[in-house]
Amino acid sequence: SAVISQKPSRDICQRGTSLTIQCQVDSQVTMMFWYRQQPGQSLTLIATANQGSEATYESGFVIDKFPISRPNLTFSTLTVSNMSPEDSSIYLCSVPRTGPFSFGYTFGSGTRLTVV
Amino acid sequence: AQTVTQSQPEMSVQEAETVTLSCTYDTSESDYYLFWYKQPPSRQMILVIRQEAYKQQNATENRFSVNFQKAAKSFSLKISDSQLGDAAMYFCAYRSSYSGAGSYQLTFGKGTKLSVIP
Repeated sequence: SAVISQKPSRDICQRGTSLTIQCQVDSQVTMMFWYRQQPGQSLTLIATANQGSEATYESGFVIDKFPISRPNLTFSTLTVSNMSPEDSSIYLCSVPRTGPFSFGYTFGSGTRLTVV
Repeated sequence: AQTVTQSQPEMSVQEAETVTLSCTYDTSESDYYLFWYKQPPSRQMILVIRQEAYKQQNATENRFSVNFQKAAKSFSLKISDSQLGDAAMYFCAYRSSYSGAGSYQLTFGKGTKLSVIP
């Protein structure tokens, strides 16, 4: 199954600034997903990023706040813009698995964001 | 929309004993996939086991097995011979098997924090 490298692993940011999170996959994948995990909570899907098209955002998430780029089939970025303390969360990227456990998903190691 | 419910926020088990984590879900679909993910303090989401709804046989992966009751919409995870490394958050997740828009996303439960007592 694919291996995902996610950067940074953690960051502490000032409110009002932006942070860009990167995910690099070691194989080509059509779909990539971005999730948010607020403290002590479950994962919530932010958006689905397909190469060559605009990302599809879930209810409650907008492109101006969470712009996503998907320049090729192995790479994607999520930017958290104009941050506030409420954006403090773990952000994870994910891609569909192949082979054993297909129809499941592989996740990056997550980015722990703290906004002060 | 599908929902996934994990009614046990926290569980504990003695090392080498067996523990069962509960999960129920709600869906109008007849074909779907169910998963259990483990998230240790490292934050990495690790796929533990999956079940296809069309299969009656319960999935098993080494010390991990599920009890899938489709009619009851129940999908519990049994961990046998618990080890210290099993301590983590466990999330139950649902995915549609259809290929339409939005069907590829995972819907997660709120998670169960499992502690393993030496």
